[in-house]
Amino acid sequence: AQSVTQLDSHVSVSEGTPVLLRCNYSSSYSPSLFWYVQHPNKGLQLLLKYTSAATLVKGINGFEAEFKKSETSFHLTKPSAHMSDAAEYFCVVSMGGRRALTFGSGTRLQVQP
Amino acid sequence: GAGVSQSPSNKVTEKGKDVELRCDPISGHTALYWYRQRLGQGLEFLIYFQGNSAPDKSGLPSDRFSAERTGESVSTLTIQRTQQEDSAVYLCASSPPPLAGLTDTQYFGPGTRLTVL
Repeated sequence: AQSVTQLDSHVSVSEGTPVLLRCNYSSSYSPSLFWYVQHPNKGLQLLLKYTSAATLVKGINGFEAEFKKSETSFHLTKPSAHMSDAAEYFCVVSMGGRRALTFGSGTRLQVQP
Repeated sequence: GAGVSQSPSNKVTEKGKDVELRCDPISGHTALYWYRQRLGQGLEFLIYFQGNSAPDKSGLPSDRFSAERTGESVSTLTIQRTQQEDSAVYLCASSPPPLAGLTDTQYFGPGTRLTVL
């Protein structure tokens, strides 16, 4: 079985300050891990993906995430928030191959001017 | 190229009516998934199609829900005798053929927002 827990339902930061969105996973297998972003009234967009090649994964729009097996974590970070980063972020785990994805409950990121 | 498309974008129906939601995957993508997203929640898996194999229906919440796929193209999700708890955004995703590093990356459509009155 696999599951993913996003530790914060809402995160608010000021523009230009760092972003940290936390995610812990549980998986019986070596998982694939993803972060997706969903802007209001738009579809889900893939931010980045971890598949065991490197523990630090760089994604689009300056986001990155680090896979820490000992902590079963895959936190998403960005050094400096931009207003356009305001959205819902989902941490996702896959058992690999073409299986259904398991989504976390999401973290809503607010960016204050 | 074109992404995953879904229609309609919005659907309002009365309780007890049947609805059909359509998904056009990215051309060449062999796998297709349906998910449901209730307000303020993450996505729930509904059903998965892979080529000519029997679909994985393990996520369908009741026998009122069914889905079909024509070959490796269009899919239709049907909800019969809709209930108010069926109100949600229904998302479709597709994924490419089994090439290294891409098999579990899913590309999502914009969704269909279903409202059951």
